[in-house]
Amino acid sequence: QLQLQESGPGLVKPSETLSLTCTVSGGSVTYSSYYWGWIRQPPGKGLEWIGSIYYSGDTYYNPSLKSRVTISVDTSKNQFSLKLSSVTAADTAIYYCARQIAVADTYAFDIWGQGTMVTVSS
Amino acid sequence: EIVLTQSPGTLSLSPGERATLSCRASQSLSSSYLAWYQQKPGQAPRLLVYGAFSRATGIPDRFSGSGSGTDFTLTIGRLEPEDFAVYYCQQYGTSPWTFGQGTKVEIK
Repeated sequence: QLQLQESGPGLVKPSETLSLTCTVSGGSVTYSSYYWGWIRQPPGKGLEWIGSIYYSGDTYYNPSLKSRVTISVDTSKNQFSLKLSSVTAADTAIYYCARQIAVADTYAFDIWGQGTMVTVSS
Repeated sequence: EIVLTQSPGTLSLSPGERATLSCRASQSLSSSYLAWYQQKPGQAPRLLVYGAFSRATGIPDRFSGSGSGTDFTLTIGRLEPEDFAVYYCQQYGTSPWTFGQGTKVEIK
């Protein structure tokens, strides 16, 4: 059974770079039918798609965050990662990694990690 | 960017009742590229429906999706105690993929 697990610092200082890793177990990031994505949720608020990556390295970013976001994949470790630069308090959120279906024109997120809370504060 | 507006914000119902949740898109979604998710407190969202009406693996048949164009509906046939949660719609017809603001289904 495929599982995703986020890891990384829970506290980041303003203006610094937030770095998270998602480890995939029970399956491979190289499956051709899936992208791998990051979604965030500020406390008590809704969901925002940050970006997604294919195992080949092709990336797709939300234009609202594109200038600050880098998503990468490490197939040897079966992981993918998120970097968000120049963070502010507005970036405080639960960050989820998720598998995104990429077949039959379906791009829903079908398997999610449990999420990790990241707080931006000095 | 396509904006999804969900209504109502909160739905107060009793177990056994039928729930009807609405999601309206700011522009027409090609090929019904819409999904619905359920989120319980402290948990990640769970995919319920994709392609507007196709149930995800393991989802009970009391959950059904319908609609096309700009108007979509998630219906929960008879509410079970475990169905009280927040529900989000998501469009994947046009990047950036966007989510609605959510509808909370609470126990009356």
